[in-house]
Formats: sequence, C-alpha cells, structure tokens
Amino acid sequence: EDQVTQSPEALRLQEGESSSLNCSYTVSGLRGLFWYRQDPGKGPEFLFTLYSAGEEKEKERLKATLTKKESFLHITAPKPEDSATYLCAVQASGNNDMRFGAGTRLTVKP
Amino acid sequence: DADVTQTPRNRITKTGKRIMLECSQTKGHDRMYWYRQDPGLGLRLIYYSFDVKDINKGEISDGYSVSRQAQAKFSLSLESAIPNQTALYFCATSAPDRGKETQYFGPGTRLLVL
Repeated sequence: EDQVTQSPEALRLQEGESSSLNCSYTVSGLRGLFWYRQDPGKGPEFLFTLYSAGEEKEKERLKATLTKKESFLHITAPKPEDSATYLCAVQASGNNDMRFGAGTRLTVKP
Repeated sequence: DADVTQTPRNRITKTGKRIMLECSQTKGHDRMYWYRQDPGLGLRLIYYSFDVKDINKGEISDGYSVSRQAQAKFSLSLESAIPNQTALYFCATSAPDRGKETQYFGPGTRLLVL
C-alpha cells in the first residue's frame, strides 16, 4: 500500500534560520510527488511537482528535491510569512488518486 | 474570482440529517475530487470523477455519495450524517497534460455534525 510520512510534525524556526522538511514515501512506481502549502482555514496551494529522482525545483525561499525514497523541502532564510502547514503527496503509476502525508506545521518567529 | 469554489463554507447539522456540499470550477478541468481532512491524518480521498458520466470511489467512500451535474459541478452528499463525519472537506480539480497532472483545491467546507 502506498504510504507517505512527513517529519517533523511541527517545526519552529527563528526568522533567517534555514531548515528542511522531510517526506518519506513508499509507492509502487512513482508518477509524481507534490508539495502544497496550506494556511489555516484555506485549501492547499500548489507549490511543486517532482517526477524523477534527482529532480529539483525552486520558488523564492523554497527548494524541493527528490530521491527514490524521500523528498525534502528546503527553506532558506525563512520569513514569518512562510509559516504554514506543508503537505506532501504522491501519485503512483497506474493510479488515479493521490496519497497525502499528515503535513508539517511550520512556524517562523520574527 | 476563485477558480474552485465551495458552498457552504461552514455548516452545522444534526445526526441523521442529509446534507449536500457543492463544488464549482471555472478552470475547465474534466477531473474533480472530494477529500476530507482530519487533524493528524492528512487529506483522504472520498470520491473522484473524470467526466460527467464517470464516478469512482476513493479510500473512504462509505456514508457518502456524489453527483456530477456538469463538467463544472461536483456535489458531495452525506445521506445520514454522523458525528465522526465532522471534518474539513475539500474539492479539487485537475487536467492531465502529457502524463503529468496537478490538483488544484477549493477553499474548503467546515462541517460539524452534532
């Protein structure tokens, strides 16, 4: 069965303190790995899709990387406005649904 | 205007009542999905539809039904609501593009079943 595990559950950083969020997955053939940002009371907002090991994508202070077993979301010099829950999801080959992790709740203190 | 809208945004109902949550989209996508989100469990798929005549069960379809009234509209019904259906419900849409596909989510409906 496809599984997605995100760690840590919660992360508190000082503004400017870089760190990484982890998404470990087991899937029978990866079709795509997705990162979303979710603010309280809102729907998930799409950030990145990664399709193959070694692929990297960047957007402002965020950089997502992918290996055969896990993905990292690196946050460089975070700001308070980066505070949110970050969700990871995988889609398996030959499968039409996405399996989500429980998320990492990030708090960035000024 | 938002590409994916959900109504109502908040709903309180009583055990045993039938309720409907509605989703509309202006993205022109054929595929639509319903998820529920519970604290600590992440998003779980309830039903999905790839076109007006296609309906498929997801991971947790028991106690729910759906209707795809048009390409742009996808409704979720709770036939007889129970307290453990209290959750945040999200609609999503997608369109495959050369084997790649990204889902876009609505703002959610917060449902409380008393």
